[in-house]
Amino acid sequence: KAGVTQTPRYLIKTRGQQVTLSCSPISGHRSVSWYQQTPGQGLQFLFEYFSETQRNKGNFPGRFSGRQFSNSRSEMNVSTLELGDSALYLCASSFGGRANSGELFFGEGSRLTVL
Amino acid sequence: AQSVTQLDSHVSVSEGTPVLLRCNYSSSYSPSLFWYVQHPNKGLQLLLKYTSAATLVKGINGFEAEFKKSETSFHLTKPSAHMSDAAEYFCVVIMINTNAGKSTFGDGTTLTVKP
Repeated sequence: KAGVTQTPRYLIKTRGQQVTLSCSPISGHRSVSWYQQTPGQGLQFLFEYFSETQRNKGNFPGRFSGRQFSNSRSEMNVSTLELGDSALYLCASSFGGRANSGELFFGEGSRLTVL
Repeated sequence: AQSVTQLDSHVSVSEGTPVLLRCNYSSSYSPSLFWYVQHPNKGLQLLLKYTSAATLVKGINGFEAEFKKSETSFHLTKPSAHMSDAAEYFCVVIMINTNAGKSTFGDGTTLTVKP
């Protein structure tokens, strides 16, 4: 069974640009969550998508957005990049239904560097 | 409401000695609790989970954790540390039967293993 796949693994952008990251969940999982991880702020929740709808949202500015497709694959977009957006962006998938245990399955992350 | 406190940001042990990583939680309702491990530049991997079955939970790589409701704790232990255990460890809480977007992560504990 394939795990969670994130692309690209590494990317470098300059301030003001925008970036799109992709996440393919484990087959059968309908929930995809996104996290930002930095040395200073730790692991912070961005948002969660379930069945193409944003179900939960963290405390990030509107420059951070996402979407989910009918096959459960998800993308997140960051516009007008700032230096502080440099981070490891992690995607996690889960079954997502009400009766699930909440276990999250993580991808290896996309390392974004903003210059 | 729920919260997680990892009591130590850094723990250092010698190879072959026991490991104790401490986690306290608060939750209004019955929680599911998880420990994840993250090696450098990798995603998070599930070590073990508690979901209201046995209070002593055994995980991968010789780790185990005990759920103590009276102490609201879920400490992670291992009898004998190995060099490969050096990583960051996260304690996570979620209310049972809620969706994964409601997971709350601790700030992480960095485990160093000295030869």
